[in-house]
Amino acid sequence: EPEVTQTPSHQVTQMGQEVILRCVPISNHLYFYWYRQILGQKVEFLVSFYNNEISEKSEIFDDQFSVERPDGSNFTLKIRSTKLEDSAMYFCASSEQGQNTGELFFGEGSRLTVL
Amino acid sequence: GEDVEQSLFLSVREGDSSVINCTYTDSSSTYLYWYKQEPGAGLQLLTYIFSNMDMKQDQRLTVLLNKKDKHLSLRIADTQTGDSAIYFCAESITGGSYIPTFGRGTSLIVHP
Repeated sequence: EPEVTQTPSHQVTQMGQEVILRCVPISNHLYFYWYRQILGQKVEFLVSFYNNEISEKSEIFDDQFSVERPDGSNFTLKIRSTKLEDSAMYFCASSEQGQNTGELFFGEGSRLTVL
Repeated sequence: GEDVEQSLFLSVREGDSSVINCTYTDSSSTYLYWYKQEPGAGLQLLTYIFSNMDMKQDQRLTVLLNKKDKHLSLRIADTQTGDSAIYFCAESITGGSYIPTFGRGTSLIVHP
């Protein structure tokens, strides 16, 4: 069964360092998303991406964040200068065009720990 | 703005029914969802209900929607140890994107 895959599963970084989280969405999906969940808190929407551009973003997704689809398969989230409060589980998701039920398919998540 | 609230933990005995509750704030919610996250896995859509429905049943799962109170519940009949997971309530509103807003998840612990 097709699935969304994310790497790395866990990354530890120093404050101020750049981090890139990678995702491979399901191959025939056209909408891509990043969410994050700080420990004990809600799963928060960060950004959605369609047709090689950001379609929506939340207040969390400030200038420190960027997304890219560098080739036909990968979808990346970059955090330019990490802060302690960026420590969270980051989930990538994808959905199929035309799905108006909003069903998202999630990866297993990348745990980011900022020291 | 959209907000979804749910309790953090629920513990039940194997074979009993589990009821996980959720409240939401946006009255224009179109779809309401239950996602399940098993250990080490991503969130997976379990079921959803359209806002013009009151109830949806799918095998052991029953979803009840009270639009007046903005209350959504998920009932799992004959709960099994394999049902132990985190259950996320989510809503999306009409507007084209249908991007779900999630709660923080309810950890369901099923003990023998």
